[in-house]
Amino acid sequence: GAGVSQSPRYKVAKRGQDVALRCDPISGHVSLFWYQQALGQGPEFLTYFQNEAQLDKSGLPSDRFFAERPEGSVSTLKIQRTQQEDSAVYLCASSLGTSGGWYFGPGTRLTVT
Amino acid sequence: GESVGLHLPTLSVQEGDNSIINCAYSNSASDYFIWYKQESGKGPQFIIDIRSNMDKRQGQRVTVLLNKTVKHLSLQIAATQPGDSAVYFCAENGGTSGTYKYIFGTGTRLKVLA
Repeated sequence: GAGVSQSPRYKVAKRGQDVALRCDPISGHVSLFWYQQALGQGPEFLTYFQNEAQLDKSGLPSDRFFAERPEGSVSTLKIQRTQQEDSAVYLCASSLGTSGGWYFGPGTRLTVT
Repeated sequence: GESVGLHLPTLSVQEGDNSIINCAYSNSASDYFIWYKQESGKGPQFIIDIRSNMDKRQGQRVTVLLNKTVKHLSLQIAATQPGDSAVYFCAENGGTSGTYKYIFGTGTRLKVLA
């Protein structure tokens, strides 16, 4: 595909369930970012990968959040024991570098009931 | 598509009029700014950027103005079209060149009236 894709587009989880959100970046993009967007808010940084290396995970809100990009391409954001406050849209972006030229995916809307 | 926000500040403009969307940024050290457009059900899309050594930058139908004295950014859209309806976010880099931790504003919803 031509852009960043994310799956699933919508996910409903019961509180306490684990979820896995997938991001397929643009082929050849070195940098990959995850952002969390709460309803009515701007996106907030979660974590950053350069190839397979997770260089910054300072934005992950708790140790229930885990992200990986084992082969430097597809990335998965995993949330364990989901809580209601985890409800948000999770955005993935990729780029050739770090400072601009980002392409965002459509996001995964997670609703925890 | 899903809504990105139900209680955002909203600007309503007539089709064909000019739109001005404002943003107050938070960090006086920020030296790079971006405007994004987010349509319902989609991720943010880059519109235009500006560095702090400039006070104005023009693109196709869009102009960004930067006032560092009052930490204010604005996006002007000329001859607003129905396809411009979206939520618009400003983002700042917090003063760290090359940072990926952009700080996004809360957004403004633009509604274009036919």
